[in-house]
Amino acid sequence: LAKTTQPISMDSYEGQEVNITCSHNNIATNDYITWYQQFPSQGPRFIIQGYKTKVTNEVASLFIPADRKSSTLSLPRVSLSDTAVYYCLVGDTGFQKLVFGTGTRLLVSP
Amino acid sequence: DTEVTQTPKHLVMGMTNKKSLKCEQHMGHRAMYWYKQKAKKPPELMFVYSYEKLSINESVPSRFSPECPNSSLLNLHLHALQPEDSALYLCASSQFSGGGAHNEQFFGPGTRLTVL
Repeated sequence: LAKTTQPISMDSYEGQEVNITCSHNNIATNDYITWYQQFPSQGPRFIIQGYKTKVTNEVASLFIPADRKSSTLSLPRVSLSDTAVYYCLVGDTGFQKLVFGTGTRLLVSP
Repeated sequence: DTEVTQTPKHLVMGMTNKKSLKCEQHMGHRAMYWYKQKAKKPPELMFVYSYEKLSINESVPSRFSPECPNSSLLNLHLHALQPEDSALYLCASSQFSGGGAHNEQFFGPGTRLTVL
């Protein structure tokens, strides 16, 4: 079971790029890395998923180095509405347990 | 339809009450999950249903009883709860159980449970 470690909190300002790094030193060969966003009193929402190198979608980019022991979620030009908790999860298809780590609480200020 | 619905939105119950939480999805997903989330903590997995069969029970007390009547519905029956069981209860579904490629979990808005 790959454990993840993230910074507890981060602060940013509107319009800046935010990079949140997740450490997963014992990631297994079949594991994928998935990031979720959660607003207060709502369920988490899928942001992005990747296996290696770089993945980009309309809201974020995910950078994964060759050794896959860490990953970085990049949010371009954040706005106030990006204030939320961001969770990094690691798991594979046959691995039924998904464990949420402590997450990173991002606060975006004007 | 990429939505998971949960009812009720809020629930207040006494320690002797019996109540049920309901979750529904119509995405054809074959895995459904119950999570419990305390304030400022990450969601904690309680149960996993895969193809309508209970595949994981994370040592949850028997006062919580899950039920999966069919592939679209998931219930959580509550009985004799304690005040410390007050939390946000989240339901989620995914195409199949676990992580892996293209198997994102879709979460419902949750039921805010208060046990008096």
